[in-house]
Amino acid sequence: GAGVSQSPRYKVAKRGQDVALRCDPISGHVSLFWYQQALGQGPEFLTYFQNEAQLDKSGLPSDRFFAERPEGSVSTLKIQRTQQEDSAVYLCASSLVSGTLVHEQYFGPGTRLTVT
Amino acid sequence: TQLLEQSPQFLSIQEGENLTVYCNSSSVFSSLQWYRQEPGEGPVLLVTVVTGGEVKKLKRLTFQFGDARKDSSLHITAAQPGDTGLYLCAGSRANAGKSTFGDGTTLTVKP
Repeated sequence: GAGVSQSPRYKVAKRGQDVALRCDPISGHVSLFWYQQALGQGPEFLTYFQNEAQLDKSGLPSDRFFAERPEGSVSTLKIQRTQQEDSAVYLCASSLVSGTLVHEQYFGPGTRLTVT
Repeated sequence: TQLLEQSPQFLSIQEGENLTVYCNSSSVFSSLQWYRQEPGEGPVLLVTVVTGGEVKKLKRLTFQFGDARKDSSLHITAAQPGDTGLYLCAGSRANAGKSTFGDGTTLTVKP
């Protein structure tokens, strides 16, 4: 596909369960970003990769959140021991270059996580 | 702390009307992007502005970047129901990977 894809699109988890969210970026895009979007708000930065290197994880809300991009392409965001406050849409975006003047990011459709 | 303030938060207008939405910050950004997001989808990039005072036009949409690169506006002429959506601005700084988003303006255009 030409765009960023994410799976699953919807995930319902019971409190305390672990979840894994997948992102397939646009082929050849160097940078990959994860954002969390609560209802009625803009996306909040979680973490950022350049190729396989995680350069910024300052937005991860707790040590229950972990992201990886082992081969510099597909990325997985893992949330351990989910809590109700983790309920949100998790957006993945990719960008052709990084560290430049312009940051044009292309977003996937998101994964809506509901923790019950 | 919200670095980018967008206003108004909600806007409901009739088809054919004009409107302007704003994105303001006390910080300087090297570039600013405008996105449009529809329910159940990710944000879609509309435009990037880089130079202070820059004006870009995209059909009926006009984007302006403030002279000091701290604020921006989006003007829509003759709004159509298809313009309905959440309009987000995002600022970024050179050599910083992440972008900072505002909370958006939810626009509803009634036929």
